[in-house]
Amino acid sequence: DTAVSQTPKYLVTQMGNDKSIKCEQNLGHDTMYWYKQDSKKFLKIMFSYNNKELIINETVPNRFSPKSPDKAHLNLHINSLELGDSAVYFCASSQGGLAVTDTQYFGPGTRLTVL
Amino acid sequence: DQQVKQNSPSLSVQEGRISILNCDYTNSMFDYFLWYKKYPAEGPTFLISISSIKDKNEDGRFTVFLNKSAKHLSLHIVPSQPGDSAVYFCAASTRITGGFKTIFGAGTRLFVKA
Repeated sequence: DTAVSQTPKYLVTQMGNDKSIKCEQNLGHDTMYWYKQDSKKFLKIMFSYNNKELIINETVPNRFSPKSPDKAHLNLHINSLELGDSAVYFCASSQGGLAVTDTQYFGPGTRLTVL
Repeated sequence: DQQVKQNSPSLSVQEGRISILNCDYTNSMFDYFLWYKKYPAEGPTFLISISSIKDKNEDGRFTVFLNKSAKHLSLHIVPSQPGDSAVYFCAASTRITGGFKTIFGAGTRLFVKA
């Protein structure tokens, strides 16, 4: 039973399209994250939600809009896709603010290719 | 500006020998340091962590050492096994309002030769 799942695993689309990536965790965690791993392999934090509230919003273009309908789900919607959006996007979850450490559990990643 | 740096993109080690992966950081406010392991086409998985108030944490074949004065940590794997071949990410975490912020390094690819 997968702890953190993402769909789709692969996404190939044209420039200018709008697409969504879904993430679900069944660990009962309070905090969820989106990371972007670019061609240089850095894992960069994009957003973090704690109990459906946004707590981290790094300097990400506002074409990216996260949505957390409940604390088990954090979806990422991307408008007007650009070539530079091509990357692997990872969702993660962690216990949250009352935990001692921020051990994160990652999904398998979504490889987005913008043509 | 990269706050967490892994300066070696790759490391090759013979099976049975020690693997040492290094990580440097710039922000003295980090509370916890973590190592994650990543296989191709999978997400990173947590390996081991260390609090900023400790200088060593050991879990089986894996030991993490922290040198706060040098802002340096290292992961030792002894003995190295072929199944340890993966990308290892160093991460540093600090508390923020509502939770934590974790910064990852660029990763070091470890090859363990049989």
